[in-house]
Amino acid sequence: GAGVSQSPSNKVTEKGKDVELRCDPISGHTALYWYRQSLGQGLEFLIYFQGNSAPDKSGLPSDRFSAERTGGSVSTLTIQRTQQEDSAVYLCASSSPLTGANTEAFFGQGTRLTVV
Amino acid sequence: RKEVEQDPGPFNVPEGATVAFNCTYSNSASQSFFWYRQDCRKEPKLLMSVYSSGNEDGRFTAQLNRASQYISLLIRDSKLSDSATYLCVVTFLEYGNKLVFGAGTILRVKS
Repeated sequence: GAGVSQSPSNKVTEKGKDVELRCDPISGHTALYWYRQSLGQGLEFLIYFQGNSAPDKSGLPSDRFSAERTGGSVSTLTIQRTQQEDSAVYLCASSSPLTGANTEAFFGQGTRLTVV
Repeated sequence: RKEVEQDPGPFNVPEGATVAFNCTYSNSASQSFFWYRQDCRKEPKLLMSVYSSGNEDGRFTAQLNRASQYISLLIRDSKLSDSATYLCVVTFLEYGNKLVFGAGTILRVKS
């Protein structure tokens, strides 16, 4: 499809398990963002990729969180030893900041993670 | 100081009212500005870009004040369907034009 694709759309996992969330950005978009959003709260920035490198990973809440991006395209967010407070919607967005001044970000529909 | 700041609200207004939101940003070198809308349990979507000269799209008007480093969104003749969270977005040249989102302003339009 033409939009940002995230999978899975829903994930229920047991506390202590590892999870991987996937984001497939819009083709050609060099910038990729991961956010998380707890119910009723604002967007919490996690990490920003420009190509395959992550110039800003300041939002990752702990060393249990990591993300990578390969081939300047698909990104995977990994959460190790999940905790109940990790439950949230994880949103991915992509944009193409090198193609002009006013370049919007497009969001995927998110992965709803529930840690039980 | 936060990079992008918004009044979280909520703004509770009657149908037909005019409502305005402001957003301030910390980086004077910022180049691009946007307003996004997020409906409950949905992903954010672009509402409108904000241009230096100001721009209008139907009932929505966006303005930029570079000297004071703020952008605004004005909604005229509010509709029930305007109820949502409005997110201010600014690009930061640091880290290569990274987009920074404000925490959002909640609008509730009531009949």
